Amino acid sequence: QVQLVESGGGVVQPGGSLRLSCAASGFSFNSYAMHWVRQAPSRGLEWVTFIRHDGSSEYYADSVRGRFTISRDNSKNTLYLQMYSLRPEDTAVYYCAKDQGQFGEVLIFDYWGQGTLVTVSS
Amino acid sequence: QSALTQPASVSGSPGQSITISCTGTSRDVGAYNYVSWYQQHPGKAPRLMLYDVSERPSGVSNRFSGAKSGNTASLTVSGLQAEDEADYYCCSYAGSSSLVFGGGTKLTVL
Repeated sequence: QVQLVESGGGVVQPGGSLRLSCAASGFSFNSYAMHWVRQAPSRGLEWVTFIRHDGSSEYYADSVRGRFTISRDNSKNTLYLQMYSLRPEDTAVYYCAKDQGQFGEVLIFDYWGQGTLVTVSS
Repeated sequence: QSALTQPASVSGSPGQSITISCTGTSRDVGAYNYVSWYQQHPGKAPRLMLYDVSERPSGVSNRFSGAKSGNTASLTVSGLQAEDEADYYCCSYAGSSSLVFGGGTKLTVL
């Protein structure tokens, strides 16, 4: 069965950096685009970024472009999110999510991890 | 990109039907038939309930249905059950490989 397990969350000071990981199993990781979606405490969902199945392209929400970088290692079945210049408003649970489309993204999240909490605070 | 507009809360009694609206603009909901809906129980990850406006993934009850008219999409839950009580989020393609979510609706089963 599909499993997505995020890690790397924690407390970081404003202006700091953090790298999140998402270990995937139960499907052909290198065949699917992958996403990060976040949810601020008691708030709604916000799409953050996605990367194509082969890592050839990445797309970002305006709120994180230039500060966050998504990447993947298909040999390790792992997705990453490198976050720089963190702000208090980046505080959220970060979910990795699998795209439904095989070999071509359809921007539908059919499986989600349980999330990892990032807190940006001094 | 502004969030899609959803009612903060809706409620219904067991067995009844409810509809949650999701209003966007001509640049997102109105431009594409790429609206999806996600259910989220407290403390849990979201779950895909509908995609492409009205398509149901395998395993999702046919009590969940979707529609779209102009810039507004909707999710209808018929035959309400206690387990349907959750937060529901709509999501639309917004062009340029970007997505926008709604603010979420809390469904209460009375």
